[in-house]
Amino acid sequence: NAGVTQTPKFQVLKTGQSMTLQCAQDMNHEYMSWYRQDPGMGLRLIHYSVGAGITDQGEVPNGYNVSRSTTEDFPLRLLSAAPSQTSVYFCASSRFSGLYSGNTIYFGEGSWLTVV
Amino acid sequence: KNEVEQSPQNLTAQEGEFITINCSYSVGISALHWLQQHPGGGIVSLFMLSSGKKKHGRLIATINIQEKHSSLHITASHPRDSAVYICAVLPYNTDKLIFGTGTRLQVFP
Repeated sequence: NAGVTQTPKFQVLKTGQSMTLQCAQDMNHEYMSWYRQDPGMGLRLIHYSVGAGITDQGEVPNGYNVSRSTTEDFPLRLLSAAPSQTSVYFCASSRFSGLYSGNTIYFGEGSWLTVV
Repeated sequence: KNEVEQSPQNLTAQEGEFITINCSYSVGISALHWLQQHPGGGIVSLFMLSSGKKKHGRLIATINIQEKHSSLHITASHPRDSAVYICAVLPYNTDKLIFGTGTRLQVFP
C-alpha cells in the first residue's frame, strides 16, 4: 500500500492562477480531508468527505473547491490563488468518518504552496 | 481561547530525559489523537485515545476525560524524538478534528 499520496510537493503560483492539489489513497478509506498549516496555528480543516459523492465544508473553505467522484481520490482546487493561500497543505484519510472514533489517521507528505 | 491548548510550546531536553507534553481541551470529545510531525513536514499518528492509557515502545499516552486533559510521555528521550507533537480532538457528534498548535521538542545528545 502506498498510503496517502499527495502531489505536487512544491508549487509556486501567481495571484489569480488556478491549480489542483491531488490526493489519492489506496486503503479504501471512507473519510478524506484537506487541511492547511500556517505558522503559529494548528492544522485547519478546509473541506472533508465521508464517502464518494459526499463533501462538506470545514473551518476555512473559502477559495477552495473539492469533489469526491471515487473512493480513492479527493482533489483540492484553488479557484483563483491569493497570497493568503500561501501555506502547507495536508491531505488525510481514515477508514470511517469521525463518528467512529477508533480510527487511525493517515496523512500525505504535504504540499508547500507559495502564491506570489 | 483555543479549544485545544498544548503546553509547553517549546521544549528542549538532554538525551535520556523523561519528557511530558500536555494537552487540555474545552469540549466534550469522543477521541483524542497524538501526532508527530517530523522536521521534513510529514505527519504520523502516534496514538488514538478515548479513555485510559496506551503505550508503544518508549511512548505513553494518557487521557482523563473528566478533567479534559491528556499527556504524552517519552521515556529515555533520544535525538530522533526531535519533532513537533500535535494533539487533536474529535468533538462529540462531529466529523471534524480540532488541532492544537503543537509542541516543538528538541533532544540534544
